[in-house]
Amino acid sequence: AQSVTQPDIHITVSEGASLELRCNYSYGATPYLFWYVQSPGQGLQLLLKYFSGDTLVQGIKGFEAEFKRSQSSFNLRKPSVHWSDAAEYFCAVVRDDKIIFGKGTRLHILP
Amino acid sequence: GAGVSQSPSNKVTEKGKDVELRCDPISGHTALYWYRQRLGQGLEFLIYFQGNSAPDKSGLPSDRFSAERTGESVSTLTIQRTQQEDSAVYLCASSGTIVNYGYTFGSGTRLTVV
Repeated sequence: AQSVTQPDIHITVSEGASLELRCNYSYGATPYLFWYVQSPGQGLQLLLKYFSGDTLVQGIKGFEAEFKRSQSSFNLRKPSVHWSDAAEYFCAVVRDDKIIFGKGTRLHILP
Repeated sequence: GAGVSQSPSNKVTEKGKDVELRCDPISGHTALYWYRQRLGQGLEFLIYFQGNSAPDKSGLPSDRFSAERTGESVSTLTIQRTQQEDSAVYLCASSGTIVNYGYTFGSGTRLTVV
């Protein structure tokens, strides 16, 4: 069963513009959620994670994500993107003692 | 070690040959995971180890794939009689006892079957 859906395969934004990457989950009443980033030729890096408590979580590199239980969403945001943010972004959820990943959203940055 | 180490970083093999991919997790991490990432695709779970046992092998795509872990450290993923569709990046990750805190990934092994 699909646990994580990232509806956008590609997103293009201009440098300096704001960013929102969408993620919907379908597993668990109290999910453990993550966003990972994979830069070209690089490994996967954890951006942020949500367990409980404050629904707005801050991560590295200026990213944040908001957990909305009513919408089963965990969208990733950044107020102003930099060219170095061009990468693949994966939303993920813990299911059955392992992390299940979405199919990813590739972010392109226009100069 | 300081991070998750995978070797080799690149492997080119002929169709039908066997390959072994190695993962050396962070010292003290009891859980170890293998994923496959085909070109332009997401991460596909293969198998995970808790200590030396493998509670979940559900992602192994066929009986040509196997994995073992010895001494609660190094793990080896073996692919027998490789096929072209096995070409992918194979990623290893490790975590402490609580997976909810997230994994640390290695840089992966890029396998190309020709």
